[in-house]
Amino acid sequence: DVKVTQSSRYLVKRTGEKVFLECVQDMDHENMFWYRQDPGLGLRLIYFSYDVKMKEKGDIPEGYSVSREKKERFSLILESASTNQTSMYLCASSLRGDTQFYGYTFGSGTRLTVV
Amino acid sequence: GNSVTQMEGPVTLSEEAFLTINCTYTATGYPSLFWYVQYPGEGLQLLLKATKADDKGSNKGFEATYRKETTSFHLEKGSVQVSDSAVYFCALIQYSSASKIIFGSGTRLSIRP
Repeated sequence: DVKVTQSSRYLVKRTGEKVFLECVQDMDHENMFWYRQDPGLGLRLIYFSYDVKMKEKGDIPEGYSVSREKKERFSLILESASTNQTSMYLCASSLRGDTQFYGYTFGSGTRLTVV
Repeated sequence: GNSVTQMEGPVTLSEEAFLTINCTYTATGYPSLFWYVQYPGEGLQLLLKATKADDKGSNKGFEATYRKETTSFHLEKGSVQVSDSAVYFCALIQYSSASKIIFGSGTRLSIRP
């Protein structure tokens, strides 16, 4: 069964820590995405990547960075975690050229709490 | 710009009731339309899709028809179950959008036994 795997379901970090959220997909997808989900705000795109070593800012990139050194792995980095980054983080992937037919495949999410 | 508007939640229904969750969109050209479902504590799953006007997507008893004349893609189910309790997201993608899907804000559905 093809899937997107996020390394942690729950994470608690302290303010000021550097936090890494990992996402791995086994579908050979070119496109990968990071969203955060907050009550009343829906899904907001943080960063996305169309290929290895490529990255594009989404709608809310401030306070985040990303890394894509291998096609299957897309990491989200919180350089200095703050309490307003407490959220559910969702990773997704899709096949270039087929997204309009098949949409995204999502991971199960990482619920991050910054204290 | 492109956007998706879906009905505010939460929506609470009794088991076996008829469900409609409204979704309208704004887009140029001919987008593909999706409904995603998010069960408690999980990520989003693709529920159904339609890629051109008048297409009907269906899955697990849910249906939605792509209506270009009303720019709508309403989700319906004839008889809901407790297990349908989840958050439902309407979404669109345009071919020219470089693979970026635009999501609605989500509608929480709760089904009473």
